[in-house]
Amino acid sequence: NAGVTQTPKFQVLKTGQSMTLQCAQDMNHEYMSWYRQDPGMGLRLIHYSVGAGITDQGEVPNGYNVSRSTTEDFPLRLLSAAPSQTSVYFCASSSGGRTPLHFGNGTRLTVT
Amino acid sequence: RKEVEQDPGPFNVPEGATVAFNCTYSNSASQSFFWYRQDCRKEPKLLMSVYSSGNEDGRFTAQLNRASQYISLLIRDSKLSDSATYLCVVNMNTGFQKLVFGTGTRLLVSP
Repeated sequence: NAGVTQTPKFQVLKTGQSMTLQCAQDMNHEYMSWYRQDPGMGLRLIHYSVGAGITDQGEVPNGYNVSRSTTEDFPLRLLSAAPSQTSVYFCASSSGGRTPLHFGNGTRLTVT
Repeated sequence: RKEVEQDPGPFNVPEGATVAFNCTYSNSASQSFFWYRQDCRKEPKLLMSVYSSGNEDGRFTAQLNRASQYISLLIRDSKLSDSATYLCVVNMNTGFQKLVFGTGTRLLVSP
Protein backbone atom coordinates (compact mmCIF):
# COMPACT_ATOMS: atom_id res chain seq x y z
CA ASN A 1 0.00 0.00 0.00
CA ALA A 2 2.86 2.41 -0.86
CA GLY A 3 0.89 5.05 -2.84
CA VAL A 4 3.25 7.82 -3.95
CA THR A 5 6.88 7.47 -2.90
CA GLN A 6 9.36 10.33 -3.06
CA THR A 7 13.09 10.23 -2.48
CA PRO A 8 15.11 11.73 -0.97
CA LYS A 9 13.29 13.30 1.99
CA PHE A 10 15.98 15.93 2.53
CA GLN A 11 18.71 17.29 0.28
CA VAL A 12 21.25 20.08 0.48
CA LEU A 13 22.86 21.27 -2.73
CA LYS A 14 25.40 23.88 -3.60
CA THR A 15 24.55 26.44 -6.24
CA GLY A 16 25.15 25.00 -9.70
CA GLN A 17 24.85 21.36 -8.74
CA SER A 18 22.31 19.14 -10.43
CA MET A 19 20.17 16.42 -8.99
CA THR A 20 17.08 14.32 -9.61
CA LEU A 21 14.11 14.03 -7.28
CA GLN A 22 12.49 10.63 -7.65
CA CYS A 23 8.76 9.94 -7.62
CA ALA A 24 7.02 6.62 -8.07
CA GLN A 25 3.40 5.56 -7.70
CA ASP A 26 1.88 2.10 -7.62
CA MET A 27 -1.76 3.03 -8.22
CA ASN A 28 -1.59 2.91 -12.03
CA HIS A 29 -2.47 6.62 -12.16
CA GLU A 30 -2.13 8.30 -15.53
CA TYR A 31 -1.76 11.80 -14.16
CA MET A 32 1.36 12.79 -12.22
CA SER A 33 2.61 16.19 -11.21
CA TRP A 34 5.27 18.09 -9.30
CA TYR A 35 4.55 21.01 -7.01
CA ARG A 36 6.71 23.26 -4.94
CA GLN A 37 5.49 24.84 -1.74
CA ASP A 38 6.91 28.06 -0.41
CA PRO A 39 5.75 30.04 2.65
CA GLY A 40 2.74 32.23 1.90
CA MET A 41 2.48 31.06 -1.71
CA GLY A 42 0.66 27.77 -1.60
CA LEU A 43 1.49 24.88 -3.89
CA ARG A 44 2.57 25.83 -7.39
CA LEU A 45 2.61 23.41 -10.30
CA ILE A 46 6.04 22.85 -11.86
CA HIS A 47 5.42 20.15 -14.47
CA TYR A 48 2.80 17.53 -15.04
CA SER A 49 2.19 14.43 -17.13
CA VAL A 50 -1.04 12.92 -18.40
CA GLY A 51 0.55 9.61 -19.33
CA ALA A 52 3.79 7.89 -20.26
CA GLY A 53 5.66 9.91 -22.86
CA ILE A 54 3.55 13.04 -22.34
CA THR A 55 4.69 15.95 -20.19
CA ASP A 56 3.91 19.64 -20.06
CA GLN A 57 4.84 22.76 -18.15
CA GLY A 58 2.98 24.11 -15.19
CA GLU A 59 3.11 27.51 -13.59
CA VAL A 60 6.80 27.58 -12.58
CA PRO A 61 8.78 25.26 -14.92
CA ASN A 62 12.02 27.23 -15.31
CA GLY A 63 15.09 25.40 -14.05
CA TYR A 64 13.38 21.99 -13.99
CA ASN A 65 13.09 19.12 -16.43
CA VAL A 66 10.87 16.06 -16.34
CA SER A 67 10.35 12.89 -18.32
CA ARG A 68 7.81 10.08 -18.08
CA SER A 69 9.09 6.87 -19.58
CA THR A 70 6.77 4.63 -17.53
CA THR A 71 3.37 5.05 -15.90
CA GLU A 72 4.93 4.54 -12.47
CA ASP A 73 7.83 7.01 -12.46
CA PHE A 74 8.03 10.78 -12.86
CA PRO A 75 11.45 12.16 -11.90
CA LEU A 76 12.14 15.88 -11.56
CA ARG A 77 15.58 17.12 -12.56
CA LEU A 78 17.19 20.30 -11.34
CA LEU A 79 19.70 21.23 -14.01
CA SER A 80 21.75 23.84 -12.14
CA ALA A 81 20.48 24.47 -8.63
CA ALA A 82 19.87 28.04 -7.50
CA PRO A 83 19.03 29.38 -4.01
CA SER A 84 15.59 30.35 -5.36
CA GLN A 85 14.87 26.63 -5.72
CA THR A 86 15.07 26.12 -1.97
CA SER A 87 11.60 24.77 -1.25
CA VAL A 88 9.54 21.75 -0.35
CA TYR A 89 8.72 19.63 -3.38
CA PHE A 90 5.70 17.36 -3.60
CA CYS A 91 4.93 14.77 -6.21
CA ALA A 92 1.30 13.85 -6.69
CA SER A 93 -0.76 11.51 -8.83
CA SER A 94 -4.38 10.91 -9.68
CA SER A 95 -6.65 9.12 -12.08
CA GLY A 96 -7.32 12.47 -13.74
CA GLY A 97 -10.66 14.13 -14.39
CA ARG A 98 -12.43 15.05 -11.17
CA THR A 99 -10.46 12.73 -8.92
CA PRO A 100 -8.34 14.08 -6.07
CA LEU A 101 -4.57 14.07 -5.91
CA HIS A 102 -2.52 11.68 -3.80
CA PHE A 103 0.70 13.22 -2.53
CA GLY A 104 4.10 11.85 -1.68
CA ASN A 105 5.77 12.78 1.61
CA GLY A 106 7.75 15.61 0.11
CA THR A 107 11.41 16.48 -0.44
CA ARG A 108 12.89 19.36 1.51
CA LEU A 109 15.56 20.92 -0.66
CA THR A 110 18.02 23.59 0.44
CA VAL A 111 20.33 25.24 -2.06
CA THR A 112 23.24 27.18 -0.56
CA ARG B 1 -7.35 38.50 -8.73
CA LYS B 2 -5.90 35.19 -7.57
CA GLU B 3 -7.46 32.07 -9.06
CA VAL B 4 -8.19 30.65 -5.60
CA GLU B 5 -8.27 32.80 -2.48
CA GLN B 6 -8.45 31.89 1.17
CA ASP B 7 -8.20 33.82 4.41
CA PRO B 8 -4.84 32.74 5.83
CA GLY B 9 -6.02 33.02 9.44
CA PRO B 10 -5.03 31.81 11.92
CA PHE B 11 -8.42 30.98 13.30
CA ASN B 12 -8.04 30.41 17.03
CA VAL B 13 -10.97 28.50 18.52
CA PRO B 14 -11.59 26.56 21.74
CA GLU B 15 -12.32 22.87 21.73
CA GLY B 16 -15.95 22.17 20.95
CA ALA B 17 -16.41 25.31 18.86
CA THR B 18 -17.82 25.45 15.37
CA VAL B 19 -15.65 27.15 12.77
CA ALA B 20 -16.16 27.87 9.09
CA PHE B 21 -13.75 28.72 6.29
CA ASN B 22 -14.57 30.14 2.89
CA CYS B 23 -12.64 29.95 -0.34
CA THR B 24 -13.38 31.93 -3.50
CA TYR B 25 -12.40 30.93 -7.02
CA SER B 26 -12.19 33.00 -10.18
CA ASN B 27 -13.04 30.57 -12.99
CA SER B 28 -16.78 30.08 -13.30
CA ALA B 29 -16.17 26.97 -15.44
CA SER B 30 -14.44 25.15 -12.57
CA GLN B 31 -15.92 21.70 -12.14
CA SER B 32 -14.41 19.98 -9.15
CA PHE B 33 -13.50 21.18 -5.71
CA PHE B 34 -11.70 19.71 -2.75
CA TRP B 35 -10.62 20.48 0.77
CA TYR B 36 -7.23 19.16 1.80
CA ARG B 37 -5.68 19.17 5.23
CA GLN B 38 -1.99 19.80 5.74
CA ASP B 39 -0.18 19.29 9.02
CA CYS B 40 3.04 21.14 9.69
CA ARG B 41 5.83 19.95 7.39
CA LYS B 42 3.71 17.11 6.01
CA GLU B 43 2.09 16.41 2.68
CA PRO B 44 -1.47 17.60 1.96
CA LYS B 45 -4.10 14.91 2.49
CA LEU B 46 -7.58 14.86 1.05
CA LEU B 47 -10.17 15.83 3.63
CA MET B 48 -13.20 15.75 1.38
CA SER B 49 -14.44 16.45 -2.10
CA VAL B 50 -17.10 19.14 -2.45
CA TYR B 51 -20.25 18.20 -4.32
CA SER B 52 -22.78 20.53 -5.88
CA SER B 53 -25.48 19.62 -3.39
CA GLY B 54 -23.15 19.92 -0.42
CA ASN B 55 -21.85 16.98 1.56
CA GLU B 56 -21.07 15.97 5.08
CA ASP B 57 -18.49 13.65 6.59
CA GLY B 58 -18.89 13.34 10.32
CA ARG B 59 -18.16 16.72 11.87
CA PHE B 60 -17.18 18.25 8.52
CA THR B 61 -19.60 19.84 6.06
CA ALA B 62 -18.62 21.22 2.67
CA GLN B 63 -20.78 23.51 0.56
CA LEU B 64 -20.49 24.88 -2.96
CA ASN B 65 -22.03 28.17 -4.08
CA ARG B 66 -21.60 28.41 -7.82
CA ALA B 67 -23.44 31.71 -8.16
CA SER B 68 -21.01 33.47 -5.82
CA GLN B 69 -18.08 31.21 -6.75
CA TYR B 70 -17.07 30.04 -3.33
CA ILE B 71 -16.82 26.87 -1.36
CA SER B 72 -16.98 26.53 2.38
CA LEU B 73 -15.89 24.10 5.06
CA LEU B 74 -17.67 23.88 8.40
CA ILE B 75 -16.13 22.02 11.30
CA ARG B 76 -18.38 21.25 14.25
CA ASP B 77 -17.27 20.27 17.75
CA SER B 78 -13.63 21.14 17.04
CA LYS B 79 -10.96 18.82 18.43
CA LEU B 80 -7.36 19.60 19.28
CA SER B 81 -6.42 17.23 16.46
CA ASP B 82 -8.20 19.47 13.96
CA SER B 83 -5.37 22.00 14.30
CA ALA B 84 -3.85 22.16 10.83
CA THR B 85 -3.87 24.19 7.64
CA TYR B 86 -6.86 23.65 5.37
CA LEU B 87 -6.24 24.00 1.66
CA CYS B 88 -8.93 24.80 -0.85
CA VAL B 89 -8.30 23.14 -4.22
CA VAL B 90 -10.14 23.89 -7.45
CA ASN B 91 -9.92 22.07 -10.77
CA MET B 92 -9.98 24.87 -13.32
CA ASN B 93 -11.04 22.32 -15.92
CA THR B 94 -9.24 23.81 -18.88
CA GLY B 95 -9.08 20.56 -20.81
CA PHE B 96 -6.80 18.76 -18.41
CA GLN B 97 -6.65 18.39 -14.69
CA LYS B 98 -5.45 21.84 -13.68
CA LEU B 99 -5.70 21.85 -9.91
CA VAL B 100 -5.07 25.21 -8.32
CA PHE B 101 -4.36 25.43 -4.61
CA GLY B 102 -5.25 28.20 -2.23
CA THR B 103 -2.57 29.29 0.21
CA GLY B 104 -4.46 27.67 3.06
CA THR B 105 -6.27 28.68 6.22
CA ARG B 106 -4.58 27.87 9.49
CA LEU B 107 -6.74 26.55 12.32
CA LEU B 108 -5.57 26.39 15.93
CA VAL B 109 -7.83 24.60 18.39
CA SER B 110 -6.98 25.20 22.03
CA PRO B 111 -8.04 23.34 25.21
